[in-house]
Amino acid sequence: EAGVTQFPSHSVIEKGQTVTLRCDPISGHDNLYWYRRVMGKEIKFLLHFVKESKQDESGMPNNRFLAERTGGTYSTLKVQPAELEDSGVYFCASSQRGLAGFFYSYNEQFFGPGTRLTVL
Amino acid sequence: QQQVKQSPQSLIVQKGGISIINCAYENTAFDYFPWYQQFPGKGPALLIAIRPDVSEKKEGRFTISFNKSAKQFSLHIMDSQPGDSATYFCAATPGGKLIFGQGTELSVKP
Repeated sequence: EAGVTQFPSHSVIEKGQTVTLRCDPISGHDNLYWYRRVMGKEIKFLLHFVKESKQDESGMPNNRFLAERTGGTYSTLKVQPAELEDSGVYFCASSQRGLAGFFYSYNEQFFGPGTRLTVL
Repeated sequence: QQQVKQSPQSLIVQKGGISIINCAYENTAFDYFPWYQQFPGKGPALLIAIRPDVSEKKEGRFTISFNKSAKQFSLHIMDSQPGDSATYFCAATPGGKLIFGQGTELSVKP
């Protein structure tokens, strides 16, 4: 079974440009998460989708970040316009949904290899 | 505000030794504590996890010790091997999103 995939693996852009990151979760996983790790710091939560709905977007830094998950399959994370502090590794993770009627899942989150974003 | 604090940032251990990584948390709503292992160029992968109703969980050479009253938990790697060299992250969650520690770079010397 294919794991979580992310594209591109590495992106280098100029400040002010736009970048779109893509994540393909494991097939059948309703939960999709985006995280970011800035160099040397902790991995920080950005947002959580359940199917196509945003369940929790409390970690999104500002309105320059836009995440979508059309059709409840793959997800995109757009940064527009990019700033220097947006540099880091962006991880996507997916997990199976919890028990019926139980929104929050303790099921294992499977991570993709990440996209390394460098903003110059 | 760092909700999960992890130490040390880096750790060097001789082959066959014991690696110990410590984490502390503040939020009593956290009720699931996984450890993730990450190799260069790969995403984090679940290593072992514990719920707070258990004080210890062991899987092979990896053991989590959990102290609910102190709000601390730790990862012990027994008989550490060069193949264990990786970055280790502790995490906590009330369900859903994971709150990670800063990570520990472990290097096991032959």
